Amino acid sequence: NAGVTQTPKFRILKIGQSMTLQCTQDMNHNYMYWYRQDPGMGLKLIYYSVGAGITDKGEVPNGYNVSRSTTEDFPLRLELAAPSQTSVYFCASSLVRDPSYEQYFGPGTRLTVT
Amino acid sequence: AQSVTQLDSHVSVSEGTPVLLRCNYSSSYSPSLFWYVQHPNKGLQLLLKYTSAATLVKGINGFEAEFKKSETSFHLTKPSAHMSDAAEYFCVVTLEDAGNMLTFGGGTRLMVKP
Repeated sequence: NAGVTQTPKFRILKIGQSMTLQCTQDMNHNYMYWYRQDPGMGLKLIYYSVGAGITDKGEVPNGYNVSRSTTEDFPLRLELAAPSQTSVYFCASSLVRDPSYEQYFGPGTRLTVT
Repeated sequence: AQSVTQLDSHVSVSEGTPVLLRCNYSSSYSPSLFWYVQHPNKGLQLLLKYTSAATLVKGINGFEAEFKKSETSFHLTKPSAHMSDAAEYFCVVTLEDAGNMLTFGGGTRLMVKP
């Protein structure tokens, strides 16, 4: 199993550009999450999904959009990139909502907006 | 509201000496607590978790943590540090009624000297 995969690994954007960060999991997990990690900080939740067609905002959703058309994929869209969105982005998935179940993380996408 | 405080942003130990990474949490309810490790340029990996069973939790790679409700602490320990333990460690709390939303501490960078 590949687990949670993310593409690209690195990206540099100019202010105002848009891009989509891809996330795929092959564990048939219902729950998927997007986090951002700023330097020296813990992860903050951007958006999450409890199943195909259902998404909801996390702690820091402004400037981002998501969709969940399949169980496997959960792309994150940046429409108008800003320097404040320079960060490392992690996608994660979990089988169920029970907090005793582990969230599995992808390797991350390092995004720089200049 | 729940929150997590990691008391040290950096910890430096010599190889073969004990490791102590400190974590305090605040939560109105019975929390689930986790320690995740992040090696450079990698995703997060679960070290161990506490979910209201035994208060002393053993994890991978010789790490363990003790849940102390009276002190609202969940410190991570290892008897003897190895060079491969050098990484960033995150203490994480989640609540059953918070949709399995993870709240991360700010992280502790562990450095291991030869």
